[in-house]
Amino acid sequence: GAVVSQHPSWVICKSGTSVKIECRSLDFQATTMFWYRQFPKQSLMLMATSNEGSKATYEQGVEKDKFLINHASLTLSTLTVTSAHPEDSSFYICSASYRQGVDTQYFGPGTRLTVL
Amino acid sequence: AQRVTQPEKLLSVFKGAPVELKCNYSYSGSPELFWYVQYSRQRLQLLLRHISRESIKGFTADLNKGETSFHLKKPFAQEEDSAMYYCALSGASGGSNYKLTFGKGTLLTVNP
Repeated sequence: GAVVSQHPSWVICKSGTSVKIECRSLDFQATTMFWYRQFPKQSLMLMATSNEGSKATYEQGVEKDKFLINHASLTLSTLTVTSAHPEDSSFYICSASYRQGVDTQYFGPGTRLTVL
Repeated sequence: AQRVTQPEKLLSVFKGAPVELKCNYSYSGSPELFWYVQYSRQRLQLLLRHISRESIKGFTADLNKGETSFHLKKPFAQEEDSAMYYCALSGASGGSNYKLTFGKGTLLTVNP
């Protein structure tokens, strides 16, 4: 149980285009979803926290107009990288938890974004 | 501010040897600590959390508030334990939200 999927698993796009990444909780309802970014050989950095039906809470230094997060249902959150540039190339990982607050997070497999 | 430090980037041991992956944290409140593991080409998954006080795959971790540590230990390492291990701390991030802060990870290699 507690499976999280991401789609696509990898994407290549041209500079200036927008890319949408989906995160789904397949067998549970996720009150809270998280988006992380991971650079090669580095740890996960939290980008934002989203609760279903609410606006996402972004970490300091993360541009909310560039990384649009929508958590419209208890099983789906989307991250849209707008006007992507090569420096946005990274591994994006989502996680989901049953409850808001301290709770186990279940991680998706990640999405590799390459911006040319 | 919350911070997690894993001092060793790489740790290499032989099969059957004891292993200890170090983790120290900094947090002003009451911490909730986790160990996550990522096997090759797989997603990050929870190994254990301190509040459960359980042993998973032979691994244990004890929260030492005096030393602000949460070291991961296993008495006899197996080759299948080779993976990247992340220590993480869950702390308040505003409102009712909590967030995980990860250490940089330790890559454990268990040699035959």
